[in-house]
Amino acid sequence: QSVLTQPPSVSGAPGQRVTISCTGNSSNIGAGYNVHWYQHRPGAAPKVLIYGNTIRPSGVPDRFSGSKSGTSASLTITGLQAEDEADYYCQSYDASLVLFGGGTKVTVL
Amino acid sequence: QVQLVESGGGVVQPGKSLRLSCAASGFTFSTYGMHWVRQAPGKGLEWVAVIWRDGTNIYYADSVRGRFSISRDNSKNTLYLQMNSLRAEDTAVYYCVRYNSDYYYLDYWGQGTLVTVSS
Repeated sequence: QSVLTQPPSVSGAPGQRVTISCTGNSSNIGAGYNVHWYQHRPGAAPKVLIYGNTIRPSGVPDRFSGSKSGTSASLTITGLQAEDEADYYCQSYDASLVLFGGGTKVTVL
Repeated sequence: QVQLVESGGGVVQPGKSLRLSCAASGFTFSTYGMHWVRQAPGKGLEWVAVIWRDGTNIYYADSVRGRFSISRDNSKNTLYLQMNSLRAEDTAVYYCVRYNSDYYYLDYWGQGTLVTVSS
């Protein structure tokens, strides 16, 4: 069971907006550690989508956005596309230890 | 371009050992911390271990501490993971990952190598 809690799955029709939450506590996200988000498609290496809570690397579409507040963070996909179907993971820290969320499967209906 | 290529995976019996390697290229390996992250079949990502750029600091997940050992050879641009006393629950794809110390995230991932622990 992951310390960072994510919903197991979310779904939406093409063009819709979906949000994935990542809930931690005062020892990790609430302690001020940054939250990062990764996309993982089957058979591929995970890829960073958002780092430093809100920053999108070059090449990541602007339909992906991140936010953080208190002990939680969120990833929002605005204008869902078929290629967004994948698993998504949040990541933060507790002292020197790396924490991953349990992962959320995004299904495009 | 940054490349991380893992090798050394395979099928191993419970209680045995295996050493994974990760060959890095396209960047100055000695200036980056490196991680191992794994994914068991049907499960999520699980962090395994980290080693700082000069090897002075090393940390492990509770699930592998005392059995796994991370190391690096900066002269060979290679990261290692020595896995001892392997268990069935160590079966996973193991990823070598570069650490971006500007914002403390995992910026480049290898394609992974599969380790299967089975009798």
